[in-house]
Amino acid sequence: DAMVIQNPRYQVTQFGKPVTLSCSQTLNHNVMYWYQQKSSQAPKLLFHYYDKDFNNEADTPDNFQSRRPNTSFCFLDIRSPGLGDAAMYLCATSRDRGNTEAFFGQGTRLTVV
Amino acid sequence: GENVEQHPSTLSVQEGDSAVIKCTYSDSASNYFPWYKQELGKGPQLIIDIRSNVGEKKDQRIAVTLNKTAKHFSLHITETQPEDSAVYFCAASGGGGSNYKLTFGKGTLLTVNP
Repeated sequence: DAMVIQNPRYQVTQFGKPVTLSCSQTLNHNVMYWYQQKSSQAPKLLFHYYDKDFNNEADTPDNFQSRRPNTSFCFLDIRSPGLGDAAMYLCATSRDRGNTEAFFGQGTRLTVV
Repeated sequence: GENVEQHPSTLSVQEGDSAVIKCTYSDSASNYFPWYKQELGKGPQLIIDIRSNVGEKKDQRIAVTLNKTAKHFSLHITETQPEDSAVYFCAASGGGGSNYKLTFGKGTLLTVNP
C-alpha cells in the first residue's frame, strides 16, 4: 500500500499560472519534505516541515511556497511557474530529522508550456 | 555542509555479475547512510541503509559497507538481474547543524544487460 501519495502524477501548467501539487501520508510522520529533481540530477531539497515548523532552504526561490494544514497533508505552491521550473517534484516523509529513514512518493512531473 | 561524491556515474554489467557503487562523504559527524533506487518516472525507493555503529549490512543480494575512518561507503549488488537496472543514489545525513537533511550523491545509472 502506498504510504506517501502524490497527486497528480503529471501536471501541465501555463507559464505564469499558479499551480499546486499535493502530498499525503499514512505514516503519521513528523517531517514532510519537498524536493525538486531535474533530469539526470539528484533530488534538491526545497523546504521541509517539522511538525508545523516550516524550514526553507536558503537557495529556494520565493516563487515556491508550501502549506501543511495537518499532519497528513502537505502542498507545494508555485506562484508563477517559469519554464525552468519544469521538473519532477518529490514529496518525502520521515519520523524525525536526521539519521532516520525517508520515504518518497512517486513524484509529480510538472510541465510548463 | 556535507558533500557526497558518488562513482561511477554509469555502470554496465552482464546479468549475473556483481555491481559496486562507491560514495565518499566529507562530514565526519554524519551517521546515517541510505541507498535509494530510482526507476524511470518514479520516486526514489529506499533499498538499504547503514548507520555508523556498524561496518556492514546485508539484505539478500544487496550489501552496504561503511568505512568511517576513510569516510566512504559502498553498495554491492550480487547476481544482478535486468530488473536491477535503475539509477542508484547514495546519501548521508545525521551530523550536526544543517546536516540533519539528506545530502545525495549525483547518482549512478546501472544497466544490467541480459
